Parts: sequence; structure tokens; C-alpha cells
Amino acid sequence: AQKVTQAQTEISVVEKEDVTLDCVYETRDTTYYLFWYKQPPSGELVFLIRRNSFDEQNEISGRYSWNFQKSTSSFNFTITASQVVDSAVYFCALSEARRGSTLGRLYFGRGTQLTVWP
Amino acid sequence: DGGITQSPKYLFRKEGQNVTLSCEQNLNHDAMYWYRQDPGQGLRLIYYSQIVNDFQKGDIAEGYSVSREKKESFPLTVTSAQKNPTAFYLCASTVQNRGIRGTEAFFGQGTRLTVV
Repeated sequence: AQKVTQAQTEISVVEKEDVTLDCVYETRDTTYYLFWYKQPPSGELVFLIRRNSFDEQNEISGRYSWNFQKSTSSFNFTITASQVVDSAVYFCALSEARRGSTLGRLYFGRGTQLTVWP
Repeated sequence: DGGITQSPKYLFRKEGQNVTLSCEQNLNHDAMYWYRQDPGQGLRLIYYSQIVNDFQKGDIAEGYSVSREKKESFPLTVTSAQKNPTAFYLCASTVQNRGIRGTEAFFGQGTRLTVV
């Protein structure tokens, strides 16, 4: 069974601090995809990144970076120099890729509420 | 602009009533999904459809029904059989071509349903 765990329910930081959001996943599949989504107060989920299980190279996009470690089944997300606009709920999710799976179906963690104070 | 439109944004329902949530997409995506979000919980899959005129139950389908008569539309009906319908409902879509796997899902802005 697929499972995604985000142990941090809420995180508060002051602007310009760095913050890391943790994500640990479980799957028996050898091929899978991992995602991060941002949910601002307006409610829609905004796609941030997709990573497939064969690509463990870390990725940086501006102030955002992601650390994928297959050995520990983790896919952590770091925001550098946080800003008030980063305040949102962040979800980590996993998608199956094996034959017969429901392509596109996501398994979500419970989310981490990030609050950045000015 | 392409995207997913959910309506209404807020919906109030009396106990015992059925209500239908609308989801329309103009992304030409094959697959569509309905997720439910409760406070402090992740999103849980209610129903999904990978092709027109076909749909499958997700993890929490009891008390819900869907239809997929058009590629663009995937309405969700919350029936009176749903014991605790108050929640935030999100519709999503993905490309479903055989050669594309792990594509990201695009989400609508959600409908907040409250039972009064």
C-alpha cells in the first residue's frame, strides 16, 4: 500500500529564515513519482515539483530546493530565506507508475501548515 | 486560459438533501478525479474517471455518485447517504496518454460544502 507521512503538522518561522518540510513515503513499487503541492488560503493546489523514482538528483528552483533520498524514502522540501507569501499548507504526494495502476491518482500526506511571520 | 473550474465556491446543504458539485476542464485531459479534504487530513480520493462514460470508486466513495458523459465535465453528487459531508472538495485532472506517466494533476479552486 502507498503511504505518505508528513510528521510536521505546523511550522512557524520568521521571515528570512530557512525552513525544511519533511516527507517520508512507503511504496512497494520500484517506479513511482513524488510531488509537492502548495495550498494557499484560497484553496487550490498549486503544483511545485515532480520527481520520478529513478532520478535522485536534487533540484533547486529559486528559493526552493528538494532533497530526494531513496535510501531513506524521503523527499524533503526546503525554502530558503522564507517570505510571508510562502505561508500555506504544503502537501507531499506519491503517484503509482506500475502497469495496471491508476495513472495520475495521488496519495497525499496530511500536509504541513507553514506560517511565515514578518 | 486552460484550467479547471469548480462551482459553486461555497455550498450549503440541508440534511437529507442531495447536492451536485460541478467540475469543468478545458485542458483536454482524459482523467478526472474528486478528492475530499478535511481539516488536518490530506486529500482522499472519492471517485475517478480515466475515460468518458467510465468511472471507478476511490477510497471513500460511499454516499457519493458521479457521471462522465463528456470529457470536459465530471460532476459529483453528494447524496443524503453521506453521513458527514461537510468538507472541502477538490476536482483534478491529468493527461492519460499511454506514453506519459507520473504527470502532475491540475486542481480546481475547490468547493466548500457545509451541512446546515
